[in-house]
Amino acid sequence: AQSVTQLGSHVSVSEGALVLLRCNYSSSVPPYLFWYVQYPNQGLQLLLKYTTGATLVKGINGFEAEFKKSETSFHLTKPSAHMSDAAEYFCAVSESDNYGQNFVFGPGTRLSVLP
Amino acid sequence: DAMVIQNPRYQVTQFGKPVTLSCSQTLNHNVMYWYQQKSSQAPKLLFHYYDKDFNNEADTPDNFQSRRPNTSFCFLDIRSPGLGDAAMYLCATSRGPGDTDTQYFGPGTRLTVL
Repeated sequence: AQSVTQLGSHVSVSEGALVLLRCNYSSSVPPYLFWYVQYPNQGLQLLLKYTTGATLVKGINGFEAEFKKSETSFHLTKPSAHMSDAAEYFCAVSESDNYGQNFVFGPGTRLSVLP
Repeated sequence: DAMVIQNPRYQVTQFGKPVTLSCSQTLNHNVMYWYQQKSSQAPKLLFHYYDKDFNNEADTPDNFQSRRPNTSFCFLDIRSPGLGDAAMYLCATSRGPGDTDTQYFGPGTRLTVL
């Protein structure tokens, strides 16, 4: 079975500082990896996803993530944090059946951005 | 804009009183999902449908049922809500059931059980 871990349930950065949110996965097959963001009292919004091809994936709002198979990691980064980046971030690995796609979500990381 | 709509955004019910949450989509996606998300936790998949073919997760309580009368609508019925069912309920859609598909989420319905 696939699983996802996110190191750090809460990360605080200063505005303008580098954002690094960690995600590690375990999978017996090539993984399909996703990062979603959730603002308070909202649904989840896709930031980016890795399926195949280029291992450095660029997403919305200036975020990017790099798939490293040797490290089983898919860490999310942003060079310069903005106050509007404060939210909960979920990493997920995808597996599907005949009915749909089963996301295995990590526990989430809450990002705080300090002025 | 094409989107996933959930009504109501906030629902209050009494212990044991049945409640129905609704979801509609204008994306014309084949797959619809229901998730339960408790405070400070990741979403947990309850049900998903590919068209009208239905699958509930093995650990979804019997207290929860779902209906998808047509492509656009999906409902979540909680037959006898308990205090432990208080949560955010998220509806999502995807074009297909593939591993690489993107799920599009609605804003959620926050359920309070008194």
